[in-house]
Amino acid sequence: GAVVSQHPSWVICKSGTSVKIECRSLDFQATTMFWYRQFPKQSLMLMATSNEGSKATYEQGVEKDKFLINHASLTLSTLTVTSAHPEDSSFYICSAATSGRSWDTQYFGPGTRLTVL
Amino acid sequence: TQLLEQSPQFLSIQEGENLTVYCNSSSVFSSLQWYRQEPGEGPVLLVTVVTGGEVKKLKRLTFQFGDARKDSSLHITAAQPGDTGLYLCAGVYGNKLVFGAGTILRVKS
Repeated sequence: GAVVSQHPSWVICKSGTSVKIECRSLDFQATTMFWYRQFPKQSLMLMATSNEGSKATYEQGVEKDKFLINHASLTLSTLTVTSAHPEDSSFYICSAATSGRSWDTQYFGPGTRLTVL
Repeated sequence: TQLLEQSPQFLSIQEGENLTVYCNSSSVFSSLQWYRQEPGEGPVLLVTVVTGGEVKKLKRLTFQFGDARKDSSLHITAAQPGDTGLYLCAGVYGNKLVFGAGTILRVKS
């Protein structure tokens, strides 16, 4: 149980285009979903926290207009990288929690590798 | 400044050797977690330690939580090539899960 999927697993796009990444909880309802970014050989850095039906909370330094997060249902959150640039190339990982206070019980997705040319 | 300091950053050892990875902080955590991540995949939870002084074993892996709940260690006995990966410690701080910088382990056969 507690499986989280991400789609796509990898994507290559041209600079200036937008890319949408989906995060789904397959067998449970996720009240809260988290989006992380990970650069090569580095740790996970939290980008934003999203609760179903409300606006996402972004970490300091993360542009909310560039990284659009939508958590429209209890099983789906999306991250859209708008006007992507090569510096946005990274590994994006989502996680899901069953309640707003279960920050230490997060189920992680397999990640999405974004390469911007 | 990292809230959770991990050391070493990189470790390359021969199969069969033992190793210890450390996770230290000046802050007290209600719990700490250890994850293992392979290239191109998401992190996988190995263990959560909750009680100060707690020791948990997972086959050849031994996890310890410091008495003051500010530090933790991961000890691997007789490392195998399959142990290769990025090891991350993490703890809840405020309303988010924060990760250490990670330890890249490479076990050579």
